[in-house]
Amino acid sequence: NAGVTQTPKFQVLKTGQSMTLQCAQDMNHNSMYWYRQDPGMGLRLIYYSASEGTTDKGEVPNGYNVSRLNKREFSLRLESAAPSQTSVYFCASSPQLYNSPLHFGNGTRLTVT
Amino acid sequence: RKEVEQDPGPFNVPEGATVAFNCTYSNSASQSFFWYRQDCRKEPKLLMSVYSSGNEDGRFTAQLNRASQYISLLIRDSKLSDSATYLCVVFRTMNYGGSQGNLIFGKGTKLSVKP
Repeated sequence: NAGVTQTPKFQVLKTGQSMTLQCAQDMNHNSMYWYRQDPGMGLRLIYYSASEGTTDKGEVPNGYNVSRLNKREFSLRLESAAPSQTSVYFCASSPQLYNSPLHFGNGTRLTVT
Repeated sequence: RKEVEQDPGPFNVPEGATVAFNCTYSNSASQSFFWYRQDCRKEPKLLMSVYSSGNEDGRFTAQLNRASQYISLLIRDSKLSDSATYLCVVFRTMNYGGSQGNLIFGKGTKLSVKP
């Protein structure tokens, strides 16, 4: 019962480095999301994919790109990491767009120095 | 004013206590309401949806007051395992009658249940 799997769990980057966060779900959900969570802030939507083949910007998309590789996988890329991108990143999925519940992955703790 | 506001707490209560959390939302276009639970350094998980008529799940009761634009969560007979952060989540549409919208997460209310 894997649900939503994110990799890596932890990552430290230097400013300017790039990396891709991977996310996969095995629940046959149509919609997938990337959120970031910072201390004192609610979860904020970075990008989402309503269905395979579509992606849209969320509340805080600057500095990120996404790829909906297939129905299962939705990756988040940081092209040139900045300290402001230090955060905990959560991938989530749901059967349809915003159809509750959202199923979250375990999160990726990213530090940019 | 933040779109979804919660008292951050922490609420420190003894085992067996009854504790209530409130959440206010500012956008009257909000349609659906949820409580999620997030344990320390873990992912959020849906606790319960909130319906207009109010709903109960064991020791947990959720209420919605559309006129006053607030949602509440009541936990009876608190257990140590209830210690977590409780997130108020609101779904609102962007266009009247449409399905496009956004889930807005509150910052969460931290609950600590002590022996």
